[in-house]
Amino acid sequence: GAVVSQHPSWVICKSGTSVKIECRSLDFQATTMFWYRQFPKQSLMLMATSNEGSKATYEQGVEKDKFLINHASLTLSTLTVTSAHPEDSSFYICSARLRELSFDTGELFFGEGSRLTVL
Amino acid sequence: GENVEQHPSTLSVQEGDSAVIKCTYSDSASNYFPWYKQELGKGPQLIIDIRSNVGEKKDQRIAVTLNKTAKHFSLHITETQPEDSAVYFCAASFNNNDMRFGAGTRLTVKP
Repeated sequence: GAVVSQHPSWVICKSGTSVKIECRSLDFQATTMFWYRQFPKQSLMLMATSNEGSKATYEQGVEKDKFLINHASLTLSTLTVTSAHPEDSSFYICSARLRELSFDTGELFFGEGSRLTVL
Repeated sequence: GENVEQHPSTLSVQEGDSAVIKCTYSDSASNYFPWYKQELGKGPQLIIDIRSNVGEKKDQRIAVTLNKTAKHFSLHITETQPEDSAVYFCAASFNNNDMRFGAGTRLTVKP
């Protein structure tokens, strides 16, 4: 199947700093990427939908100025957690959708996740 | 919007037994139902999916059934092995837009 690479896999930072997480589709083009947040022993919570060349669409309750998303190319989306605080510590996961097929339903492929710890 | 409920939250089976995880969804327009396996510290991996135009799909030891009328779908794992131990998530969406996930089932296969 298609491969989605997420980097870094884990990061520790001081409170107040900003952290950037990259999500790359390695062998396919993804017009749409998604960012999720997952707390321990819980399900994936969709944070935002990232469309190449346009502004991301954020889910209700997700601060767009806090979680900056950029989707500059068909293979790369980035999530920047700005002025991180301990409550931002979480497991962040991206997924990428194959370009729409002739009858839609491009499959989703997930990255390996990035564990952020804010001290 | 779509709401997906998943049961049970935890499931423990003996190696070789079968495991069944069930999900219900609320939006009758949903037409794509994937299942993901997530191992500790990793991202979810697609293991099987089903679209609304079929009622059952099988891939070796894994099968998924879909009942559109009742709006529920199930994951069946036969001849379970210790390496099947993981958290499994069901999901539902319309044309893979706005995919919503179940709460997850932690499966433990005891050797």
